[in-house]
Amino acid sequence: GDSVTQMEGPVTLSEEAFLTINCTYTATGYPSLFWYVQYPGEGLQLLLKATKADDKGSNKGFEATYRKETTSFHLEKGSVQVSDSAVYFCALSGERGSSNTGKLIFGQGTTLQVKP
Amino acid sequence: DTGVSQNPRHKITKRGQNVTFRCDPISEHNRLYWYRQTLGQGPEFLTYFQNEAQLEKSRLLSDRFSAERPKGSFSTLEIQRTEQGDSAMYLCASSLAAGVADTQYFGPGTRLTVL
Repeated sequence: GDSVTQMEGPVTLSEEAFLTINCTYTATGYPSLFWYVQYPGEGLQLLLKATKADDKGSNKGFEATYRKETTSFHLEKGSVQVSDSAVYFCALSGERGSSNTGKLIFGQGTTLQVKP
Repeated sequence: DTGVSQNPRHKITKRGQNVTFRCDPISEHNRLYWYRQTLGQGPEFLTYFQNEAQLEKSRLLSDRFSAERPKGSFSTLEIQRTEQGDSAMYLCASSLAAGVADTQYFGPGTRLTVL
C-alpha cells in the first residue's frame, strides 16, 4: 500500500544553518505531496504542497520539489531560525480515483531543534 | 474563519467506559476527517465524510468506534468499551473538496487517556 518514509530525528541545527529533511514515498500513479508542521502546543498546519511531478512548493522560506523519478519530496530551508523548531510531517494523498484519494498518509515525523 | 474546533481537549476515562468526541469543522467545508496520533508517530487515518455521507473507514476502526456527521456539519466520534490501547490524540480535519489535493485544516485534537 501507499506509504511515506521520513528521515529519523531529532535534527539539531544552529541558527542560520541549512536544513534538509528527507522524505520518500511509495504510491501508484501521481499522488499529491504535502509537508505539515506542528509547533509545540499547537495543531498541525500545512506548510507547503505539490500536486504534480516537478512542482515546487514553497512557504516561509521552506521549499520542496516533487521528484517522480526518485519518489522524493525533501524539505529544505536555507537558513533556519529558532522559531522553526517543530515537528515536520511529510504526507501524501492518492491521485484521483485511487484507493487513497482524499485522505492523508503521513510519515512518522521529524523533530527539528534549532539552537541560538 | 474560526478554524476547526474539537471538544473536549482532554479526556481521562477508565477502561470499559464509553467516550464521545466532537468536531466542528470550518463552516463551508464539506469534507471532514478523523485521524489518530500516538506519541512519536504521524497521524493515521480513521474515517472521512463528505457532507453527511461516511465515504471510507480504515481497517484500524474497530466496531467499537463509530462516527457520525448528521446534517453534514459537526461530527462525533464515539469509542465504546475503551481499552488502554485507545489512548492517543484524536485529530479532526476539514476541507473544501475542490479537485485534487484539497488542503486539510486540522483542529487542536482531543487527547484521550484510558486508565
